[in-house]
Amino acid sequence: DTEVTQTPKHLVMGMTNKKSLKCEQHMGHRAMYWYKQKAKKPPELMFVYSYEKLSINESVPSRFSPECPNSSLLNLHLHALQPEDSALYLCASSQVLSYEQYFGPGTRLTVT
Amino acid sequence: GIQVEQSPPDLILQEGANSTLRCNFSDSVNNLQWFHQNPWGQLINLFYIPSGTKQNGRLSATTVATERYSLLYISSSQTTDSGVYFCAVYPGGGSNYKLTFGKGTLLTVNP
Repeated sequence: DTEVTQTPKHLVMGMTNKKSLKCEQHMGHRAMYWYKQKAKKPPELMFVYSYEKLSINESVPSRFSPECPNSSLLNLHLHALQPEDSALYLCASSQVLSYEQYFGPGTRLTVT
Repeated sequence: GIQVEQSPPDLILQEGANSTLRCNFSDSVNNLQWFHQNPWGQLINLFYIPSGTKQNGRLSATTVATERYSLLYISSSQTTDSGVYFCAVYPGGGSNYKLTFGKGTLLTVNP
């Protein structure tokens, strides 16, 4: 099973809302990733977790707050977002860092 | 940082045609992946191919690491092959954990 799941599929939120994106994998992978993808662009890395510890933060604004409660679960907490944050948010996992990554179906976020 | 260039940027085919997509990278790599992003946004793993040749049905890929390029071959294309094809690499050496993507090739297969 090479499945990464993400919820919700779609999310519309106002600029004052707080919401969370959820990502789950049951492949025993110990590295998990958040990416942001704008239309007609490749995915851009936001955060990397390795063994539940934050390894990389690609200078992401603090209105995005990642959390890795356990080895199977990755959350992205959103607060006070801007309309330009509207994008497809993708989660991925790999066995360990630098190994083959598997992507979830994404959450399409619209900030109004 | 490493540069990843994909060509062509756009490709339109008739169903049944064959095609070759190219990925050039500017430095040594540890690993290379090919993905297909379907119209719903899902990134599907096609190949994990740091070197050599692999085949999966109508698709095959070859990476020549010493010459810094990879090729993705699609034979007998189908309308369901439409979407964006991304090449992504892990740069070689050091502790670089960032998968670097090319800009993609947008493939349209017409019936």
